[in-house]
Amino acid sequence: QKEVEQNSGPLSVPEGAIASLNCTYSDRGSQSFFWYRQYSGKSPELIMSIYSNGDQEDGRFTAQLNKASQYVSLLIRDSQPSDSATYLCAVVSGGYNKLIFGAGTRLAVHP
Amino acid sequence: EAEVAQSPRYKITEKSQAVAFWCDPISGHATLYWYRQILGQGPELLVQFQDESVVDDSQLPKDRFSAERLKGVDSTLKIQPAELGDSAMYLCASSPAGRVGEQYFGPGTRLTVT
Repeated sequence: QKEVEQNSGPLSVPEGAIASLNCTYSDRGSQSFFWYRQYSGKSPELIMSIYSNGDQEDGRFTAQLNKASQYVSLLIRDSQPSDSATYLCAVVSGGYNKLIFGAGTRLAVHP
Repeated sequence: EAEVAQSPRYKITEKSQAVAFWCDPISGHATLYWYRQILGQGPELLVQFQDESVVDDSQLPKDRFSAERLKGVDSTLKIQPAELGDSAMYLCASSPAGRVGEQYFGPGTRLTVT
């Protein structure tokens, strides 16, 4: 079992729609959760962090965390073509203080 | 805005040759990371430094890879000898001490081994 799992996609949504990206993790001791965005050929960039159950909003982005279900999600409202990228879910492992990345979900927003 | 610097951006080398990558983290960031990323996968941590000390190198193939951060600032990752399977993007990142999840990445080095 991979430590952080994501659907590889591609997830295709029309411009203006809500994109929903999901992630599950295996380490119940994890306390910190992050979403990174990676454009094709570029390096990852941190866009959201969440530490407690519930929602964390920043502009058009909302991160959601459910520790009981070991589930993290990212919602992108009013999706734009410029949001087309790979979104990496990352979790700080409970015992080792290192960041574990999922394989990423590729999002394509079409006009 | 402060950035993580890496060089070279691209490297083509023949198998069995030696190759080295350099990284200069954001000033004041105590923690430095080297990752390898294969197309279609997430970054995989190779080595993590806290100042000049290695805190995690469990996934570093130590028979051919080495990393150092002698003065706790910039860092070098070396591969000797390179193998075909080493072709990947090598990413360097840094973060303030204690903020492992908040990493800033450099532009990466694309390595091709022929």
